[in-house]
Amino acid sequence: NAGVTQTPKFRVLKTGQSMTLLCAQDMNHEYMYWYRQDPGMGLRLIHYSVGEGTTAKGEVPDGYNVSRLKKQNFLLGLESAAPSQTSVYFCASSSGEKLFFGSGTQLSVL
Amino acid sequence: AQKVTQAQTEISVVEKEDVTLDCVYETRDTTYYLFWYKQPPSGELVFLIRRNSFDEQNEISGRYSWNFQKSTSSFNFTITASQVVDSAVYFCALSEEHFKAAGNKLTFGGGTRVLVKP
Repeated sequence: NAGVTQTPKFRVLKTGQSMTLLCAQDMNHEYMYWYRQDPGMGLRLIHYSVGEGTTAKGEVPDGYNVSRLKKQNFLLGLESAAPSQTSVYFCASSSGEKLFFGSGTQLSVL
Repeated sequence: AQKVTQAQTEISVVEKEDVTLDCVYETRDTTYYLFWYKQPPSGELVFLIRRNSFDEQNEISGRYSWNFQKSTSSFNFTITASQVVDSAVYFCALSEEHFKAAGNKLTFGGGTRVLVKP
């Protein structure tokens, strides 16, 4: 019963390095999302996708890119990591009224 | 722009006490959707409830109840007879768009951490 799976769970980067976070869902959901969670600020939407091959910007898209080449996968990329991108990243998917979340990726940028 | 405010950052109670979490929202739309999510220590957010702006009926689900008041733009959440397992961060969220139009693009409040002591 996998649901939404995020990899990796933890990562430490140096400023300027790049990385990709992978989100996979096995529920055949059309919609997928990337959020970041920072203390006291709740979750903020980075990018989202309403279907395979589509992506759109959310509230805080700067410094991130995404791709949805396959319906079940949604990738979040950081081209040149900055300390301000230190956060917990959550992927979510949905086909209806509620979101199903992954367990999060804790990213630290030094 | 839409906004969700959860003024209480942390609430500590003793088991069996009731606890109410406040949520105040701002939106210019007449049609919108309100949500509550629970984030236990494991980290994964769990859906609790969704209400649309046309349905102001209060809802009860076991020990959980929700009070939606459009007049005060509030959607408060009460846990009755709290238990240690209720310890978590609770988020209120708002969507101005139906999921069929653009998916569940949610605006979250800052969250309220609830600590239930035995």
